[in-house]
Amino acid sequence: DAGITQSPRHKVTETGTPVTLRCHQTENHRYMYWYRQDPGHGLRLIHYSYGVKDTDKGEVSDGYSVSRSKTEDFLLTLESATSSQTSVYFCAIRTDSSTEAFFGQGTRLTVV
Amino acid sequence: AQSVSQHNHHVILSEAASLELGCNYSYGGTVNLFWYVQYPGQHLQLLLKYFSGDPLVKGIKGFEAEFIKSKFSFNLRKPSVQWSDTAEYFCAVRSMYSGGGADGLTFGKGTHLIIQP
Repeated sequence: DAGITQSPRHKVTETGTPVTLRCHQTENHRYMYWYRQDPGHGLRLIHYSYGVKDTDKGEVSDGYSVSRSKTEDFLLTLESATSSQTSVYFCAIRTDSSTEAFFGQGTRLTVV
Repeated sequence: AQSVSQHNHHVILSEAASLELGCNYSYGGTVNLFWYVQYPGQHLQLLLKYFSGDPLVKGIKGFEAEFIKSKFSFNLRKPSVQWSDTAEYFCAVRSMYSGGGADGLTFGKGTHLIIQP
């Protein structure tokens, strides 16, 4: 499973509250990604990182921020959660030598 | 930016039937192409990938895909499906977002495949 752990696995939160999702990897890979999965949309890239403190926006970054202070952790923060951010969030990593991404188990977030 | 189109959103087949799922992508230079599978309640797993060489690639569980550059297509095939192939299938293309060397995958919207016993 490429040593990826996402936490929490499930979360219910209220509109307007801040939420942070964590992605932890055990193998020191350089590239990390956050995607959201929604019915009829497939997976869409939110943010990605190419090293400690090196991050950039993806396709659907509005309302999200990320941080990577250590190689092994990539945090996704919803500063003020909205119902439109109800989704399943997947973290992924890519090694320097591979072309494909390896995915974590996902976090199901419900904003009520 | 890259875009990926999967033509079939829902497919229902009987066991032992042949499968072909369509995938087309928009041109954007050299491409890396992938098919991922997501079994119910699970994360995405790589079925197969293409980045160079033989355009017919073989993956796990008897799946294969053919890259046809002139048609911008990367269709997934399996000669005889099983009930356990029931899952969501995603086609994806590797795209570049910045000069920093990082990239992300652009996914199609997925095909929900149901195999009836």
